[in-house]
Amino acid sequence: QVQLQESGPGLVKSSETLSLTCSVSGGSISSTSSHWAWIRQPPGKGLEWIGNIYYSGAASYSASLKSRVIMSVDTSKNQFSLNLSSVTAADTAVYFCARRTGDWVAVGGYYLDSWGQGALVTVSS
Amino acid sequence: DVQMTQSPSSLSASVGDRVTITCRASQDIGSHLVWIQQKPGKAPKSLMFAAYRLIYGVPSRFSGTGSGTEFTLTISSLQPEDFATYYCQQYESDPLTFGGGTTVEIK
Repeated sequence: QVQLQESGPGLVKSSETLSLTCSVSGGSISSTSSHWAWIRQPPGKGLEWIGNIYYSGAASYSASLKSRVIMSVDTSKNQFSLNLSSVTAADTAVYFCARRTGDWVAVGGYYLDSWGQGALVTVSS
Repeated sequence: DVQMTQSPSSLSASVGDRVTITCRASQDIGSHLVWIQQKPGKAPKSLMFAAYRLIYGVPSRFSGTGSGTEFTLTISSLQPEDFATYYCQQYESDPLTFGGGTTVEIK
């Protein structure tokens, strides 16, 4: 069973860059049947997809965050990372990393099946 | 982007009750739907994919139906550990989008 764990600073100053890493265990980040995603949840609110990345480095981002997001993957460490630049208080949230796995038995596509515990990141002024 | 709308936003129920949550998509997503459970302060947990296929380890009291634009999640006999917030999420196309959530509370 794959496990994911987020790590990174819990406090980031406004206008600076938020950086988080997700460590994957129990499975290979180089799996051709997986994409690796970041999702966030502001306090008391719902879930928002930030984007996802394939082991090759190919990435897809939310249009609303695209100008500020960079995701990367390190296959040697079995990790992937999120950088979100020019943060404001609106970026304060719990950030989850997750796996999107291929649906080979039903309707196709890639669905979220495994989640990290989440990392609270607070943006301070 | 595909908009996902859930109803109700919250409900109160007792242990043993049958509970149904509805999710509507703004356009046809086929059966590319996941149901997610989240307990306070915890990570989300995916319950089923393809609208009705249970993920390994999820109890059979959870079931899902629907395709196209209308979907339902049913809990046949609510258990104490089922009190949580439930989200639907489509994966027919990026960006992935989520419903607003339905909180199941103890009556």
